[in-house]
Amino acid sequence: GIQVEQSPPDLILQEGANSTLRCNFSDSVNNLQWFHQNPWGQLINLFYIPSGTKQNGRLSATTVATERYSLLYISSSQTTDSGVYFCAVPGYSSASKIIFGSGTRLSIRP
Amino acid sequence: EPEVTQTPSHQVTQMGQEVILRCVPISNHLYFYWYRQILGQKVEFLVSFYNNEISEKSEIFDDQFSVERPDGSNFTLKIRSTKLEDSAMYFCASSEALEAYEQYFGPGTRLTVT
Repeated sequence: GIQVEQSPPDLILQEGANSTLRCNFSDSVNNLQWFHQNPWGQLINLFYIPSGTKQNGRLSATTVATERYSLLYISSSQTTDSGVYFCAVPGYSSASKIIFGSGTRLSIRP
Repeated sequence: EPEVTQTPSHQVTQMGQEVILRCVPISNHLYFYWYRQILGQKVEFLVSFYNNEISEKSEIFDDQFSVERPDGSNFTLKIRSTKLEDSAMYFCASSEALEAYEQYFGPGTRLTVT
């Protein structure tokens, strides 16, 4: 099946810093999503970005489908940005399930 | 903005008991999903559901699990006889269609089996 790898696995930053999270996937995809799992365990949809670039406030994402990666940028980090960030892509030969990466755990220190 | 809701937010049950986790998908969505996340691990697909039947299920989704859309709004996951290893966060999701469509996730139900 399709493999999804995220890096780095852990990231500790001071408030106000910028960060770049990476998601690599092993096969071509027509769908990619980024999620934030907050400290209470809730999954929050951040971006649906099969290709190109999108921005939402301090967050932006870029997917280069031909090179099989996506990047999530967080600028001017705040403590509320802490949590785990997941990317997810459709399962190989599956029209329904999405496959999650292992996530990047981001900790923002005040 | 429409959202997926789930109840309860936290359920504690004893091993061997039946539990039903409830979800209200976004109203115009046609496809429904359950995912599971054991503490500290990846989010894993359990099952997808469309037109009142299962579209796809994973190896995890064995005979102890069932899904149902009992009315026009709710989507439920039943675990018949819970085991300790069923302790996890369970997420419901919905989408307008299948391929190339965004799946919207609910906030999750934390199930603790003692």
